[in-house]
Amino acid sequence: EPEVTQTPSHQVTQMGQEVILRCVPISNHLYFYWYRQILGQKVEFLVSFYNNEISEKSEIFDDQFSVERPDGSNFTLKIRSTKLEDSAMYFCASRGTGSGNEQFFGPGTRLTVL
Amino acid sequence: AQSVTQLGSHVSVSEGALVLLRCNYSSSVPPYLFWYVQYPNQGLQLLLKYTSAATLVKGINGFEAEFKKSETSFHLTKPSAHMSDAAEYFCAVSIGAAGNKLTFGGGTRVLVKP
Repeated sequence: EPEVTQTPSHQVTQMGQEVILRCVPISNHLYFYWYRQILGQKVEFLVSFYNNEISEKSEIFDDQFSVERPDGSNFTLKIRSTKLEDSAMYFCASRGTGSGNEQFFGPGTRLTVL
Repeated sequence: AQSVTQLGSHVSVSEGALVLLRCNYSSSVPPYLFWYVQYPNQGLQLLLKYTSAATLVKGINGFEAEFKKSETSFHLTKPSAHMSDAAEYFCAVSIGAAGNKLTFGGGTRVLVKP
């Protein structure tokens, strides 16, 4: 069964460093998403992406964040200068076309900012 | 804007007993509703979804949920809990289409006692 994959599973970085979180969505999906879950808190929407552009973003997704689909398979989230409060689990999701289609989630990347 | 409230951050049930997880939503337009399950160290897996067809929705692993518009609720039930049901459960809503951004509730962690 096709699945969304994410790498790395755990990333530790120093405050101020740049990180790139990688996702491989399901191959025939066209809509892509990033969510995050700070420990003990709700899963929060960050950004959605379709047709090579951002379709919606939350107030969390400020200028420090960017997304990219560099090739036909990967979907990345970059944080330019990490802050302590960026420590969270980051989930990638994708979905196919059709209004009834749900999002499929990857296993997540745990980001720890020291 | 839509929102989701899950009553009870922790629920403890005995093996074989009824599982009932409560979810109430707020939306100005007809919603799409979802229940996701998260097992330890794993991503979010879709249990079931409501997309304006039947109000009683059956999902995987014996779970079902009923959409009640008058009560703005989408409670999740399972007649007989199994040890493998121990996980965290998230209710989520999207509007406009099932694939639009998800707004999650705070989650309910289920403990199953032998």
